[in-house]
Amino acid sequence: GESVGLHLPTLSVQEGDNSIINCAYSNSASDYFIWYKQESGKGPQFIIDIRSNMDKRQGQRVTVLLNKTVKHLSLQIAATQPGDSAVYFCAESYNAGKSTFGDGTTLTVKP
Amino acid sequence: GAVVSQHPSRVICKSGTSVKIECRSLDFQATTMFWYRQFPKQSLMLMATSNEGSKATYEQGVEKDKFLINHASLTLSTLTVTSAHPEDSSFYICSALGLATEKEYFGPGTRLTVL
Repeated sequence: GESVGLHLPTLSVQEGDNSIINCAYSNSASDYFIWYKQESGKGPQFIIDIRSNMDKRQGQRVTVLLNKTVKHLSLQIAATQPGDSAVYFCAESYNAGKSTFGDGTTLTVKP
Repeated sequence: GAVVSQHPSRVICKSGTSVKIECRSLDFQATTMFWYRQFPKQSLMLMATSNEGSKATYEQGVEKDKFLINHASLTLSTLTVTSAHPEDSSFYICSALGLATEKEYFGPGTRLTVL
């Protein structure tokens, strides 16, 4: 079946460094991608999204890059802060339908 | 805006009992809500899609008679775990699809522990 996966299960960075979290997806028909942040014991929190007609989108301290050729999605966090420590999930959907979540990457920011 | 609440946030019950979890969109209407289950250190797994005024659509492997879903209004969906057993212990998360934005807004989750 279709799946969305993450390359690395854990990522540890120093406070102030940039973080890059990667995601591979397998459904070439997916047209909408989202990054979520989930803190322990809480629901997912929307970070940023991108549609398939774009290859880059920037938010506050975050950038999402989409490479449809290799079906790859990445989340870049600039100047990572301790408050960014969480599990990050990518998700993909098609035609405003249900989302399929990836496995998640645990980001740990060392002070 | 776009706040989704869940109640209760945490519930402990005995094996064999039924538990109802409510999901509410507080400041927007949602014809579609989703129910997910998340085991420790795992991703969110979609259980079912809840449609207002019609039957829920269940994912493969999810027992519809065990996980009863009712979407009675544009702001409320309920998930009832019937005859709960310890293996049903999990973190249950709902989301609501905004009509105008088509974005998915998540609730804070409900921690179910079945003894």
